[in-house]
Amino acid sequence: GAGVSQTPSNKVTEKGKYVELRCDPISGHTALYWYRQSLGQGPEFLIYFQGTGAADDSGLPNDRFFAVRPEGSVSTLKIQRTERGDSAVYLCASSSGTGLNTGELFFGEGSRLTVL
Amino acid sequence: EDQVTQSPEALRLQEGESSSLNCSYTVSGLRGLFWYRQDPGKGPEFLFTLYSAGEEKEKERLKATLTKKESFLHITAPKPEDSATYLCAVNDMRFGAGTRLTVKP
Repeated sequence: GAGVSQTPSNKVTEKGKYVELRCDPISGHTALYWYRQSLGQGPEFLIYFQGTGAADDSGLPNDRFFAVRPEGSVSTLKIQRTERGDSAVYLCASSSGTGLNTGELFFGEGSRLTVL
Repeated sequence: EDQVTQSPEALRLQEGESSSLNCSYTVSGLRGLFWYRQDPGKGPEFLFTLYSAGEEKEKERLKATLTKKESFLHITAPKPEDSATYLCAVNDMRFGAGTRLTVKP
């Protein structure tokens, strides 16, 4: 597809379980962002990749959260020992180099995570 | 640390009733201020980038302006389809909490 694809669209898990969320960016986009959005709030920055490397991971809330982008395309957000407070919509966005200069990110529709 | 504050949290307008949304920011150096629109259940969609005080951008019924401390998103004669949450972000793509706009027919 032409847009940013996120899977799964919905994930329900139990407290303490491990979860992986996947993001397929737009082909050729070197920049990739992960955000977390709770109801009624704006997107909360988690991590930013430029190519394969995490250029800024200052938004990851604690060491239970980890993200990878091994080949500079698909990215996976990994959450260990999930807690109920991790319940949110996790958004992924990508951008080209030119787009990054203009602030134009292309967002996926998000993965809704519910931790019971 | 860059900070963005949006007001009001929610705004209800009648169709055709023009108004403005505010985005106040605190940054050490502004590299860009960005406006996005988000519909329920969707990811945000890019609207505008503003780089320097005095700059303005327009798109249909929307006009974004920028000063040294804040940005305004002016909505002229809004229609129900303009109902959405409007988000602003600065520099390293840190977003504010958004303004939820509802336009009644």
